[in-house]
Amino acid sequence: EVVLTQSPATLSLSPGERATLSCRASESVSSSLAWYQQKPGQTPRLLIYDASNRGTGIPARFSGSGSGTDFTLTISSLEPEDFAIYYCQQRSTWPLTFGGGTKVEIK
Amino acid sequence: EVQMLESGGGLVEPGGSLRLSCAASGFTFNNFAMNWVRQAPGRGLEWVSAISGIGDLTNYADSVKGRFTVSRDNSKNTVYLQMNSLRAEDTAVYYCAKGMNDWTYFFDYWGQGTLVTVSS
Repeated sequence: EVVLTQSPATLSLSPGERATLSCRASESVSSSLAWYQQKPGQTPRLLIYDASNRGTGIPARFSGSGSGTDFTLTISSLEPEDFAIYYCQQRSTWPLTFGGGTKVEIK
Repeated sequence: EVQMLESGGGLVEPGGSLRLSCAASGFTFNNFAMNWVRQAPGRGLEWVSAISGIGDLTNYADSVKGRFTVSRDNSKNTVYLQMNSLRAEDTAVYYCAKGMNDWTYFFDYWGQGTLVTVSS
């Protein structure tokens, strides 16, 4: 199966700062990668699909890039509501897999 | 408005069985793949199973293959997960998640989840 490794595990930043989250795949997944946000007690929300396309209603401060094995989620300027856990997920190969998550916490 | 409501979770002993249901509304159900994703307490997300729009294609995580069966009844807009031979490590919140379409297995809508606890 494709193993997705997210780094860092925790990112401590202040509101207004730029966040850069990484997701590395154990083999190429082309552009078949998505990013989700999950806040405590809530269900995940689709942020980015096909590596760089924003989901419905997702603010422009969220952007995704990458292809093959290396992907990045960037939050250009953190808002208070952006502190959450972020997961990547690939759909290139069965079984579908998620990364272990990156927690973005308030510094 | 897209809505999905899971049911059927609860406490079950190791080796037991449960059947989860997910009733969907607000979209043309048979045009979309449906998935089950679980999250153990305090842990990350784990994809469990997927079924295509007309139910002819199914896939499973290795951890549940041979024990879990996904199915759907498009006349009832409902997807099911039959879980047999349950183990303690199956304890999790089980989410029903809608695929973006019938061939794109990203999840654009999620139910609120149903908790399955496997314990004696």
